[in-house]
Amino acid sequence: AQKITQTQPGMFVQEKEAVTLDCTYDTSDQSYGLFWYKQPSSGEMIFLIYQGSYDEQNATEGRYSLNFQKARKSANLVISASQLGDSAMYFCAMREVSIQGAQKLVFGQGTRLTINP
Amino acid sequence: GAGVSQTPSNKVTEKGKYVELRCDPISGHTALYWYRQSLGQGPEFLIYFQGTGAADDSGLPNDRFFAVRPEGSVSTLKIQRTERGDSAVYLCASSLYTGGLTDTQYFGPGTRLTVL
Repeated sequence: AQKITQTQPGMFVQEKEAVTLDCTYDTSDQSYGLFWYKQPSSGEMIFLIYQGSYDEQNATEGRYSLNFQKARKSANLVISASQLGDSAMYFCAMREVSIQGAQKLVFGQGTRLTINP
Repeated sequence: GAGVSQTPSNKVTEKGKYVELRCDPISGHTALYWYRQSLGQGPEFLIYFQGTGAADDSGLPNDRFFAVRPEGSVSTLKIQRTERGDSAVYLCASSLYTGGLTDTQYFGPGTRLTVL
């Protein structure tokens, strides 16, 4: 079974600084997908970025980039030029495909990011 | 376009009561997922629908939980004889299910269920 570990319960960063949120994973699959979601206080899970195991380049989406190190089984999220609106919970997730075809997401415990003005 | 919507946003009930939680996925999305998120935790998978059928219900904690999606669009999660331990945020997600590795799930705002 897949497992996601996020070791930082909370992070505090000054506005405009870059921040790295850690994520390590465990899987025996050769082909897999990794996702990052943001969950503001409103509760909705907002998709940020995706990295496939066979992607040769690190994924980027605007201010978000993924530092993917396959050998270390890590997929850290980097947010550049942080903004006050980035304050939220951040979840790393891995797709697990069941026999029945469900592409379940297995989530880590999350990291609460607080951006200070 | 419209995202995933869930109703109600909050539900308070008494132990032993029956509740229904509704999810309206993104139009055209054939795959629908229910997750449960306990306080301080990441979401956990409950059930997956492809079209009208529950293709994978392995995450349902027990037989008090049931979900339907009769017309392949809106889904209802039903909980019988609620217990205090059922208190959580119930999240619904939908995806196009292209079968590819990049298939992305889009989540609704969740229903916060409190069982007194």
